[in-house]
Amino acid sequence: DQQVKQNSPSLSVQEGRISILNCDYTNSMFDYFLWYKKYPAEGPTFLISISSIKDKNEDGRFTVFLNKSAKHLSLHIVPSQPGDSAVYFCAALHPQAGKSTFGDGTTLTVKP
Amino acid sequence: NAGVTQTPKFQVLKTGQSMTLQCAQDMNHNSMYWYRQDPGMGLRLIYYSASEGTTDKGEVPNGYNVSRLNKREFSLRLESAAPSQTSVYFCASRLIYEQYFGPGTRLTVT
Repeated sequence: DQQVKQNSPSLSVQEGRISILNCDYTNSMFDYFLWYKKYPAEGPTFLISISSIKDKNEDGRFTVFLNKSAKHLSLHIVPSQPGDSAVYFCAALHPQAGKSTFGDGTTLTVKP
Repeated sequence: NAGVTQTPKFQVLKTGQSMTLQCAQDMNHNSMYWYRQDPGMGLRLIYYSASEGTTDKGEVPNGYNVSRLNKREFSLRLESAAPSQTSVYFCASRLIYEQYFGPGTRLTVT
């Protein structure tokens, strides 16, 4: 039973447009959500996060939205740049277990 | 400040051979983790260590053992490698929420 799902394996957008990456979760005990970015042959790097007590967190071009009732979060990148082309992983943190559960990732391609 | 380092970067093993993947972090984090990533899949947790002296199984622990040698180092051992263990292995550490990952070890078992 996959507790964190990213239903779109890939997304292609034009440079300058908005990229929207989606993530769904099933476990209501998750209390913190994170997005990581991964380039080929490198380890994932932390991008942005959101606590379950908030519904939005913004950092420059990146905004994460959380809809707790729908158990859904999304990452918005505006404007998208070619350097944003990477795999994006959604992760959910269980407070007591102290470990994160990752989605399968979405490969974003930003075309010049 | 090197962050999280992993050795080796690449390794080819024959079925039945053993090896240890090394991981070290210099950020004074309490928690450390080992993941594997297979093509088209996310990161699956193998083992983790919430603090020095403790280790716990993750989602896919079979065929692996770990040692939290001290606060800095967390090693992953394959006692008898199998082709199903061909994967990219990532080590990570965590202070509060976000994890910091190493560059990965690409392991092939033939």
